[in-house]
Amino acid sequence: GAGVSQSPSNKVTEKGKDVELRCDPISGHTALYWYRQRLGQGLEFLIYFQGNSAPDKSGLPSDRFSAERTGESVSTLTIQRTQQEDSAVYLCASSRWGVYGYTFGSGTRLTVV
Amino acid sequence: DAKTTQPNSMESNEEEPVHLPCNHSTISGTDYIHWYRQLPSQGPEYVIHGLTSNVNNRMASLAIAEDRKSSTLILHRATLRDAAVYYCILRAGGGSNYKLTFGKGTLLTVNP
Repeated sequence: GAGVSQSPSNKVTEKGKDVELRCDPISGHTALYWYRQRLGQGLEFLIYFQGNSAPDKSGLPSDRFSAERTGESVSTLTIQRTQQEDSAVYLCASSRWGVYGYTFGSGTRLTVV
Repeated sequence: DAKTTQPNSMESNEEEPVHLPCNHSTISGTDYIHWYRQLPSQGPEYVIHGLTSNVNNRMASLAIAEDRKSSTLILHRATLRDAAVYYCILRAGGGSNYKLTFGKGTLLTVNP
C-alpha cells in the first residue's frame, strides 16, 4: 500500500484481557518499529525489526508485551493481561534500511477500562 | 544518543516564515539531523534530514551550522496546517542506530 496501515484504529478492552495490534508496513521497507505515546507525552520506543535479524526488544516495558514480524511484512504487537497504564496510542513505523525517514501509521488508540 | 535542545514552544503568523532552532552541541561526525512533526491526533511525519550541507524539499529547508552544533528548520510560509510539534533528532549514520529517540519537541502555533 501507499502508507503504513494499522488496525484497529481504536480498541477498548477490559483490564486483564489480551489485545493484539496489527501493522502493515510499506512494501519494500525492511525496517519496522513500534512506539507508544501516552496522552500528552512523547514517543517511547518499544521494539525494532530489521529483516531476518534478531529484533531489538529493549524498549518493551514488561514481559506482558511481545511482538512478532513475519519476514518483511506484517507485524503484530500483543499485550497480555492489559493494565490501565497500557492505555496509549501505539504507533508503527517502517523505513528502508539506512538513514532514511520513517513513515508512521496513524496508530491504534488503546483504552483499558 | 547525542541529545538535542529545542524551545518548548514558538508562535508564528500565517504566511510568514518560521525558523525553528535546534542545538546539538555533542553531535558526532556521523550523526544525521532529522526533523519530524506531529500534527494533533496523528502519527509523526518525516519532514527532512541532512548531514552537513543545507537541504531543501517541498516541505521545508534545513540549514546546518558550519560546526554542525546547531540547525534550523525553515518553513518558508507558515500555514495553519503547519501547527504541530516539531522534533529535531540525531541519528547515527551507517544504519547502526535505527532507534529514533524523540524528545519533547517544539510546539508551533500558527496564528491566522
